[in-house]
Amino acid sequence: AQTVTQSQPEMSVQEAETVTLSCTYDTSESDYYLFWYKQPPSRQMILVIRQEAYKQQNATENRFSVNFQKAAKSFSLKISDSQLGDAAMYFCAYRTSLIQGAQKLVFGQGTRLTINP
Amino acid sequence: NAGVTQTPKFQVLKTGQSMTLQCAQDMNHNSMYWYRQDPGMGLRLIYYSASEGTTDKGEVPNGYNVSRLNKREFSLRLESAAPSQTSVYFCASSELAGDLISTGELFFGEGSRLTVL
Repeated sequence: AQTVTQSQPEMSVQEAETVTLSCTYDTSESDYYLFWYKQPPSRQMILVIRQEAYKQQNATENRFSVNFQKAAKSFSLKISDSQLGDAAMYFCAYRTSLIQGAQKLVFGQGTRLTINP
Repeated sequence: NAGVTQTPKFQVLKTGQSMTLQCAQDMNHNSMYWYRQDPGMGLRLIYYSASEGTTDKGEVPNGYNVSRLNKREFSLRLESAAPSQTSVYFCASSELAGDLISTGELFFGEGSRLTVL
């Protein structure tokens, strides 16, 4: 079974600086999807960024980018120019590249990010 | 747009009581899911329904039952609540894997906080 590990329970960063959240995963599959979700205090889970394993180019969404190292099974999230609104719990998630069926995600333990003004 | 709606948002139960968490989505998704979130453990899949008329166990199904009432609604029932079921419960929905419009993303409700005394 696939597993996802986030080894940093908590991180903090000064406003406007850059922070990187770590994620590693274990799988024997060659094709899959990886996600970062954000959970602010409102509890709503919000998709931040998505990466398909077959794509070599790292995904980018505005101030959010990933460093996808397939051989190392590593998928880190970089947040540039951190803003107070980025404070949240961040979850890394894995999904197999299914041909059909439900899209079951396996989540990491989460990293709580604090932004210091 | 409402997206995924869960009720109730908060509930306190005594050990042995039963209750049902309701979930409805208005995005015409085929697949629906129930996750539970516990500190330090991320989100774990309880049950899922790939499409109307089907349900399957996830990672932690013991003590729960589900009903896919129709395409829109997916309920989670605790027949005899236990303190170990104190958690935040999330309902989510998605397109089927393999659908042309599938992005792999899960869309989440706002969560239901359940406390069992």
